Amino acid sequence: DTGVSQDPRHKITKRGQNVTFRCDPISEHNRLYWYRQTLGQGPEFLTYFQNEAQLEKSRLLSDRFSAERPKGSFSTLEIQRTEQGDSAMYLCASSGLRLSHNNEQFFGPGTRLTVL
Amino acid sequence: SQQGEEDPQALSIQEGENATMNCSYKTSINNLQWYRQNSGRGLVHLILIRSNEREKHSGRLRVTLDTSKKSSSLLITASRAADTASYFCATDPDYNQGGKLIFGQGTELSVKP
Repeated sequence: DTGVSQDPRHKITKRGQNVTFRCDPISEHNRLYWYRQTLGQGPEFLTYFQNEAQLEKSRLLSDRFSAERPKGSFSTLEIQRTEQGDSAMYLCASSGLRLSHNNEQFFGPGTRLTVL
Repeated sequence: SQQGEEDPQALSIQEGENATMNCSYKTSINNLQWYRQNSGRGLVHLILIRSNEREKHSGRLRVTLDTSKKSSSLLITASRAADTASYFCATDPDYNQGGKLIFGQGTELSVKP
């Protein structure tokens, strides 16, 4: 399968713990995006990478959140000192380089985080 | 913050009927895209319409775009129970260079057999 994959699919943690999610994009895609989605809402942008460079971060991404894409392939999103308000679905997407791709983004299945 | 607003928030129809969902947005765009999301799953890209296009078709989907009104509509014809899902519009702002998409809050479509 050559789609976007995310791991884990579900994560339950206690408030104050750190969690890390992984995203593997489509192999030929150079752009990788993280979004957060809460129940009944559309995805909200968090950050994106072009290759290994983090080009934009949302104000939603507090100091407790950090994302990396060290080799321009997979990415990790870490949340430190989790809070109940961090409970959400975390979606990863990737897109290709060529302008003909029109920024069509391919999404992974998401990681559902529950903070108790 | 969300740019798009979708209308209606929820829509329930019978199989075979057409479903129309509307989306409004605020800033100038490169393109507008529609995605589908089945419950608890990731999003699937349906169709993209560029800012210089007014209408586009793909199978049973028809999308229109009115940039003067900053609005778009998605029509699903001859709906099926399998079309039951949430549908989101997403805009690619014209200040973007392949960056974030800005999503609406979605329309939840229920197609009853």
